[in-house]
Amino acid sequence: TGETTQSPASLSFSLGETATMTCRASDSVGSYLAWYQQKTGQVPRLLIHTASTRASGVPARFSGSGSGTDFTLTVSSLESEDVAIYYCQPYKNWSFTFGSGTKLEIK
Amino acid sequence: EVQLVESGGGLVQPGRSLKLSCLASGFTFSNYGMNWIRQAPGKGLEWVASISSSSSYIYYADTVKGRFTISRDNAKNTLYLQMTSLRSEDTALYYCARSNNYGSPNWFAYWGQGTLVTVSS
Repeated sequence: TGETTQSPASLSFSLGETATMTCRASDSVGSYLAWYQQKTGQVPRLLIHTASTRASGVPARFSGSGSGTDFTLTVSSLESEDVAIYYCQPYKNWSFTFGSGTKLEIK
Repeated sequence: EVQLVESGGGLVQPGRSLKLSCLASGFTFSNYGMNWIRQAPGKGLEWVASISSSSSYIYYADTVKGRFTISRDNAKNTLYLQMTSLRSEDTALYYCARSNNYGSPNWFAYWGQGTLVTVSS
């Protein structure tokens, strides 16, 4: 399994705005992609699986899209609690390679 | 409530061994694949190893293959990671994580709090 690329490495938005980050898999993974949120000092939390399905309890402000090699995580109506690093994880094959993460900060 | 509690971490010298455990509760352990994922200080997430529900399928990251062994005891609801020939680059917080099914490649639905392994002389 090759590298999983996330961009940008960091982004900063004001409260209430919408942030978008991308994940690119090295090979097509269909819809087999998950997103995780990790706040400082906390355990990673599953946000999205199967590219666009929100995990239980995840607010509708979080949405995922994409298929094949290119995926997007959108966080709308940004709140201060959304400050975190977001990781993507393709899972079509064994040998999982997480993306390097996108750090979301609030201006 | 799903709970995963890791233990066994600590300070160990390079070249030595250490065995991690993860005690699971709140779900039928024998029905789910399990995984180890690690995170070096200040770094991102790195998948380490996975094992299917019945231990039929086992996979390792290239960085640990031949040195680490994942196993499970379904009667004890416990996942293990035997680590040998430890290197400084193995220093990390090791998370136990549950898959969403019995053993196909999957997302990591639940995570433990992690146990810290420090490899240093």
